[in-house]
Amino acid sequence: GDSVTQMEGPVTLSEEAFLTINCTYTATGYPSLFWYVQYPGEGLQLLLKATKADDKGSNKGFEATYRKETTSFHLEKGSVQVSDSAVYFCALSDRVSSGGYQKVTFGTGTKLQVIP
Amino acid sequence: EAQVTQNPRYLITVTGKKLTVTCSQNMNHEYMSWYRQDPGLGLRQIYYSMNVEVTDKGDVPEGYKVSRKEKRNFPLILESPSPNQTSLYFCASSPTQGIPGQPQHFGDGTRLSIL
Repeated sequence: GDSVTQMEGPVTLSEEAFLTINCTYTATGYPSLFWYVQYPGEGLQLLLKATKADDKGSNKGFEATYRKETTSFHLEKGSVQVSDSAVYFCALSDRVSSGGYQKVTFGTGTKLQVIP
Repeated sequence: EAQVTQNPRYLITVTGKKLTVTCSQNMNHEYMSWYRQDPGLGLRQIYYSMNVEVTDKGDVPEGYKVSRKEKRNFPLILESPSPNQTSLYFCASSPTQGIPGQPQHFGDGTRLSIL
């Protein structure tokens, strides 16, 4: 079945540092890829997405590029802020062969802590 | 405001005492889903619903029930809760799951503790 693997955390960075959170996937079809962010005490929010190879999703200074050849969707930000401290989830949606819908598979999440 | 609302946000209860976690969305979404979040395991899908009266099992359905009698509501029922169901639960919805690239909208979560 489909799976998503993301780097284990926690990741601790100083403010203004460069961020990379790695995400790789396996899928039987041609998935859409997502990054969600979870702030403390809240639900997940969509951060960015990409639906086809070489697409770049971007939002709030974060970006990720859909790399089909390496089955990756790494999240990057050039200069992190304390307010970026959260848990980040990589996810994919892929068509289920037995039905007509898209099943979503999540990674285990990476906790980011940014210190002043 | 477009939102997914879960209640209660926190609940401490005892083994065997039936409980229901409600979920309601005001976006007219067809698709709704329940997840549980556990440390080191990420989000795992419990049940989902493609539309009214259409529900199906996710990856970890044992010990849970759902119903979808109205489009906006998708309650999660634990008939006889056990301690291994202590977890953080999320309800989510999306317009439809038949189209690639549809993101999900999440509620703020319900933290259940089963003693």
